[in-house]
Order: sequence, then C-alpha cells, then structure tokens
Amino acid sequence: KQEVTQIPAALSVPEGENLVLNCSFTDSAIYNLQWFRQDPGKGLTSLLLIQSSQREQTSGRLNASLDKSSGRSTLYIAASQPGDSATYLCAVMVTNDYKLSFGAGTTVTVRA
Amino acid sequence: GAGVSQSPRYKVAKRGQDVALRCDPISGHVSLFWYQQALGQGPEFLTYFQNEAQLDKSGLPSDRFFAERPEGSVSTLKIQRTQQEDSAVYLCASSLAFGQETQYFGPGTRLLVL
Repeated sequence: KQEVTQIPAALSVPEGENLVLNCSFTDSAIYNLQWFRQDPGKGLTSLLLIQSSQREQTSGRLNASLDKSSGRSTLYIAASQPGDSATYLCAVMVTNDYKLSFGAGTTVTVRA
Repeated sequence: GAGVSQSPRYKVAKRGQDVALRCDPISGHVSLFWYQQALGQGPEFLTYFQNEAQLDKSGLPSDRFFAERPEGSVSTLKIQRTQQEDSAVYLCASSLAFGQETQYFGPGTRLLVL
C-alpha cells in the first residue's frame, strides 16, 4: 500500500519568507503526483500536477519538484503572503491504479 | 454547473440514524470517486464508479456504507446506523474519462454524528 508522509505537519512564517513543504512516498511506481490546497471547511483545489516523467512543474510563485527514485516531492512557495495560509496536501496516483493516496497535509500560517 | 457540487454541505445526525449524501459530478464526467477525510488527516479512498458501474468499493469501511450511481451521473453515498467514528468530511471527485485523468473535487459534506 502506498504510504504518503508530509513534513512538517504545521508551519508558521512571516510574510515574504519562502515556504518549503515536503512529501515522501513509499512506492516509486507512480503515475503522477499532485499538490492540493485546502482552506478550512472547503474542498480541494489542485495546484500542480507532475507526471511521472517530469521533474518539476511551475505555476506563478509555486514550484513543485519530483524525485521518483528517492520517493520525494517538494513544493516551494516564493515570497509567501497571508493569503497562502491553508493546508497543503500531497497526493500520489500509482501506476495501473486510479485512486489517490494522500498525505495528512501541512498546515501553513503566514503572519502579516 | 461548472464544478462538482455536493449536498448537504453539513449534516448532523444522531447515532443510529441513516444519512444520504449527494454528489453531482461535472457534466459528462465518466469517473466518480468518494473519499473520506477524518479531522487532521488526508482523504482516504472509499469507492470508484465508471459510469453506473461500481468498479471498486474496497475502501468502504463497513457494510453500513453503500454507494450508488444508477444513471451514471449523480451519486449517493448512504451510511446506515451511523456511528460516532463516521464523523468526517466526505469528498466527491469526478474525472473526464477513465480513472487516471485529473480528479476534480467538490466542497465536501461535513458529517457530525452525535
């Protein structure tokens, strides 16, 4: 069974600082990896999706890297803003499967 | 609508009560998924439909949980004789074609069993 771990569980930074969120997974035979954002009481918003053949994806201030062989992904958020405060979830889809395996998330607080 | 919708958004049930949670996927989406998210945890897979066929129900925690999608669009997740441990957010997701397409999530139904 795919196990997904996210470290740290919570993070508090002053506005303007760069954020680094880590995700690790046990089964390297993945089809893709996705980063989601979840605001309190809300559903999941997809931020970035990295296919297994890719090493990274970028969208605005967000950059996600993928190292399949070591079972790791990192989400970088540059120049954080209070609006970035949310829980960030990493999810992995294994090859020949369709279900997403999620980590428990990293809850980020950006202080103004 | 433009996205996945779920109703009700919040549900409070007394222990032992039956509940039904509804998911309206994006129009035309073939695949539909249900996930359960306990407080402070990531979502856990419950079940998967391709059109009206339930192809995988391996994540349903007990036989009190039942899901259906009779016409291949709207889906209902039913929980019989609710228990306190059923309290969670139930998320529905749909994807355009077969399971490995991008999944689009609804806002979830927050269930509290007292």
